Amino acid sequence: AQTVTQSQPEMSVQEAETVTLSCTYDTSESDYYLFWYKQPPSRQMILVIRQEAYKQQNATENRFSVNFQKAAKSFSLKISDSQLGDAAMYFCAYRSTGTASKLTFGTGTRLQVTL
Amino acid sequence: DTGVSQDPRHKITKRGQNVTFRCDPISEHNRLYWYRQTLGQGPEFLTYFQNEAQLEKSRLLSDRFSAERPKGSFSTLEIQRTEQGDSAMYLCASSLVSGSTNEKLFFGSGTQLSVL
Repeated sequence: AQTVTQSQPEMSVQEAETVTLSCTYDTSESDYYLFWYKQPPSRQMILVIRQEAYKQQNATENRFSVNFQKAAKSFSLKISDSQLGDAAMYFCAYRSTGTASKLTFGTGTRLQVTL
Repeated sequence: DTGVSQDPRHKITKRGQNVTFRCDPISEHNRLYWYRQTLGQGPEFLTYFQNEAQLEKSRLLSDRFSAERPKGSFSTLEIQRTEQGDSAMYLCASSLVSGSTNEKLFFGSGTQLSVL
């Protein structure tokens, strides 16, 4: 079974600064998907970014980018130019290919953004 | 498009009672998922439907849990004889799967269940 580990329960960043959230995972599969989801106080999970394991290029979405290290089974999220609206819980998630979206989530990192 | 709707937003019940939650997916989405999220944890997969067919159930889904999606539209999740360990947030998500397009889940805001 796959596992996802987020070792940072909480992180804090000043507005306009950059922060990196860590995620490691364990799998014996060679092809899979990785995701970062944001969960604000409204509780609705929102997809931030997605990475396919077969792609060597790191995914980027505006201010969000990932550092995908397949051999190390590491998938970190970098948020640049942090904004107050970025404050939320961030979850890393894993999904096998060829199956429905049965995601395996980590325990989350709470991100605080300060002025 | 109003997104994925879940009702109720909060539910407080006594141990042993039955509860039912409802999820209305985004119109025309053919897949619907249920996840459970306990305090301090990430969501855990429970079950999913492709149209009206329930295609997979997690081992987390005990016999006291039943989910339906009649006519492939809204879904209900019922918990019979609730236990304190059932206290959690129940999240619903939907997606449109067509050909080789990448599947993207859209989540609702969940139903928070408290079993006293």
